Amino acid sequence: EPEVTQTPSHQVTQMGQEVILRCVPISNHLYFYWYRQILGQKVEFLVSFYNNEISEKSEIFDDQFSVERPDGSNFTLKIRSTKLEDSAMYFCASSGGPGNTIYFGEGSWLTVV
Amino acid sequence: AQTVTQSQPEMSVQEAETVTLSCTYDTSENNYYLFWYKQPPSRQMILVIRQEAYKQQNATENRFSVNFQKAAKSFSLKISDSQLGDTAMYFCALRPNTNAGKSTFGDGTTLTVKP
Repeated sequence: EPEVTQTPSHQVTQMGQEVILRCVPISNHLYFYWYRQILGQKVEFLVSFYNNEISEKSEIFDDQFSVERPDGSNFTLKIRSTKLEDSAMYFCASSGGPGNTIYFGEGSWLTVV
Repeated sequence: AQTVTQSQPEMSVQEAETVTLSCTYDTSENNYYLFWYKQPPSRQMILVIRQEAYKQQNATENRFSVNFQKAAKSFSLKISDSQLGDTAMYFCALRPNTNAGKSTFGDGTTLTVKP
């Protein structure tokens, strides 16, 4: 079964450093998402991406965050200057259409120290 | 704006018995989808079941079924013949049928299946 893959599975970074989280969505999917889950809390929407542009973003997705689909297969989330409160599990997801199920990757666990 | 509420932070059930997890939601959209996701200790998000709001028939997937009450905006998950592997956090989620189609999640219910 096709799946969304994410790398790295776990990254530890110093506060203030830049981090890039990578995702390979399911190949025929057109809609891409990033969500995050702080430990013990619910899953929160960050951003959706369609047709090479951001469709919607949450208030969490401020200027320190950016997304990119550089080569038609990867979908990346960049955090420019990490803060302690950015420590969370970051999930990439994709779907084939507006009404289709969103499939999640296994997550990238980011720890900022 | 849309909201999803799961009022049961924790639940437990004996192996082989049946348990129901509650979820209520609110949305101004007419066309939307509802999901239950399972998150085991590995923290992966696994789709359990999905329901289209325009369908009156409740979705079923093997031991998992839902009770979808559109007027009441209620979407509960029933797990029959509970197994130890069902122990996980369960999230209810709502997704409108729009281009952005972001999903809104509830706070989750931690289910423990006891032997």
